[in-house]
Amino acid sequence: GDSVTQMEGPVTLSEEAFLTINCTYTATGYPSLFWYVQYPGEGLQLLLKATKADDKGSNKGFEATYRKETTSFHLEKGSVQVSDSAVYFCALTQNQAGTALIFGKGTTLSVSS
Amino acid sequence: NAGVMQNPRHLVRRRGQEARLRCSPMKGHSHVYWYRQLPEEGLKFMVYLQKENIIDESGMPKERFSAEFPKEGPSILRIQQVVRGDSAAYFCASSPRAGGGGTEAFFGQGTRLTVV
Repeated sequence: GDSVTQMEGPVTLSEEAFLTINCTYTATGYPSLFWYVQYPGEGLQLLLKATKADDKGSNKGFEATYRKETTSFHLEKGSVQVSDSAVYFCALTQNQAGTALIFGKGTTLSVSS
Repeated sequence: NAGVMQNPRHLVRRRGQEARLRCSPMKGHSHVYWYRQLPEEGLKFMVYLQKENIIDESGMPKERFSAEFPKEGPSILRIQQVVRGDSAAYFCASSPRAGGGGTEAFFGQGTRLTVV
């Protein structure tokens, strides 16, 4: 079945460092890909998404490109802030109506000043 | 516009008791998904409901778990005779139309169930 694999955390960075969180997927067809973020004590919020190959999703300085050839959707940010500390989840969904999200295990990011 | 509301935020139950988790979707949303997050794991799909209908319950354990989304009122996830392995965070998500494709799901803050 479909699955998502994320790099293990935690990832610990200093403020203004470059961030990459790797995400690869296994799926039939052409799924849509997402990054969700979970701040402490909160629910998940959509960070960005891409619905077809070569699309780039971006939001709040984060970006990720849908790479069909490498089945990847790596999350990047050029300069992280302390406020970016959170758990980041990569997810996919198939394009049939009603299909649920399939999540990776999440990667904890901790940014220090 | 209030977001997805889940209550209670924290729930403690003794083994063998029943747990009832409630989810009020965002206004205008008629599609609800329940997910379970075990420690050190990602979220796992449990059940997808529309008003008065269960559409997909393929992720729900066959025994002790049930869900409903009545015409009026919140969606309810019910766990009967809880066991320690049921301890987890349970998240509800809603959307204005069926999920899939690029449809965004809006998540509640979750209910953290602890079975003692």
